[in-house]
Amino acid sequence: KAGVTQTPRYLIKTRGQQVTLSCSPISGHRSVSWYQQTPGQGLQFLFEYFSETQRNKGNFPGRFSGRQFSNSRSEMNVSTLELGDSALYLCASSFEITGTGDFYEQYFGPGTRLTVT
Amino acid sequence: GDSVTQMEGPVTLSEEAFLTINCTYTATGYPSLFWYVQYPGEGLQLLLKATKADDKGSNKGFEATYRKETTSFHLEKGSVQVSDSAVYFCALKTSGTYKYIFGTGTRLKVLA
Repeated sequence: KAGVTQTPRYLIKTRGQQVTLSCSPISGHRSVSWYQQTPGQGLQFLFEYFSETQRNKGNFPGRFSGRQFSNSRSEMNVSTLELGDSALYLCASSFEITGTGDFYEQYFGPGTRLTVT
Repeated sequence: GDSVTQMEGPVTLSEEAFLTINCTYTATGYPSLFWYVQYPGEGLQLLLKATKADDKGSNKGFEATYRKETTSFHLEKGSVQVSDSAVYFCALKTSGTYKYIFGTGTRLKVLA
């Protein structure tokens, strides 16, 4: 099975611009989560989607948004970029514990390295 | 709220040395516990997991036991190799929250 794929792998944007990152989960996985990784703050949870519904959201400003499509692929968008948004953005997918909607382990993609100048 | 505390790094060891990376947690309810490893330039890889008290997770020579009485999940390996050099993250997930809480990560460097 192919792993979690993220595109693009690297991105350079200017302050004030917006950016869209894409994530394709492992086939059969319906839960997709996004995390921001920075040296100072570590791994911070952004949001989680399951069957096109956002079930949980981290403590990030409204400039950060996401969505999930019917094929479970997900995108996250950051508008009005700030220098502090420079980070590695990680996507993870999970398979459902049968009948619960919940999951145990997450499988991570390689990340998108966003640099804001 | 839920949290994970893991030992500060970096940890530097010689090849074949014994490794322990401490991890303790605070959580409401009974979380599942995980260790992930991140190699340079890559995403996180699941190393091992434990979903209930006294479970022992193991993989590639690494082990960790879910200790509810001490709220700990320490990572151990009997003999490290240079290829084990990476950053190790302890994480928890509480049922129904749909998110992980990660520790700050511990960088391990193994010298030949």
